[in-house]
Amino acid sequence: QKEVEQNSGPLSVPEGAIASLNCTYSDRGSQSFFWYRQYSGKSPELIMSIYSNGDKEDGRFTAQLNKASQYVSLLIRDSQPSDSATYLCAVNTLFNSNSGYALNFGKGTSLLVTP
Amino acid sequence: SAVISQKPSRDICQRGTSLTIQCQVDSQVTMMFWYRQQPGQSLTLIATANQGSEATYESGFVIDKFPISRPNLTFSTLTVSNMSPEDSSIYLCSVESAGLSDEQFFGPGTRLTVL
Repeated sequence: QKEVEQNSGPLSVPEGAIASLNCTYSDRGSQSFFWYRQYSGKSPELIMSIYSNGDKEDGRFTAQLNKASQYVSLLIRDSQPSDSATYLCAVNTLFNSNSGYALNFGKGTSLLVTP
Repeated sequence: SAVISQKPSRDICQRGTSLTIQCQVDSQVTMMFWYRQQPGQSLTLIATANQGSEATYESGFVIDKFPISRPNLTFSTLTVSNMSPEDSSIYLCSVESAGLSDEQFFGPGTRLTVL
């Protein structure tokens, strides 16, 4: 069973602080990693993708990947109340030889940014 | 990214009936995916649907219960057959980005309630 693990939270941070979201995965063969944001009642929205070890920055978001440790994280700088959502970690995984690769999702971390 | 629409956006159905969910994309895509998100849970892959071939189903999902059609590169349907209350979920289609990226983008989802 290929697992993607996240703390469910809720993670509460004050406005303006850095929110740190973590994810571990079990499939060493995975090469593509994604963070999705999901507001209540909405579908997931892709916010970051990362493929190589190290950091990738996009605006207030930084994704970090460490394949040796099988660990991927998302940092949100200057957190805003509008960032309050569930953040889903997804790993592109070979489910079976017939279907090829598809996204394996963690359970998500609920983030609450308080004014 | 592609613009994805789903119909219906929500429905309330009686036990034992079937519902067909449509997914339309504004551009041609090779890979389409169907996911289920049960209340308070993360996303679970139902099947991968490639045009011109039979859909491939993940463990726990069978064609008789969730038949899928993929008649062309912009359209797919998922049918939930002989429904029970346990089928109450959000059903989401996603497509893989065109080009070299394997990023996936999601439709708005279909919220199904089975009474």
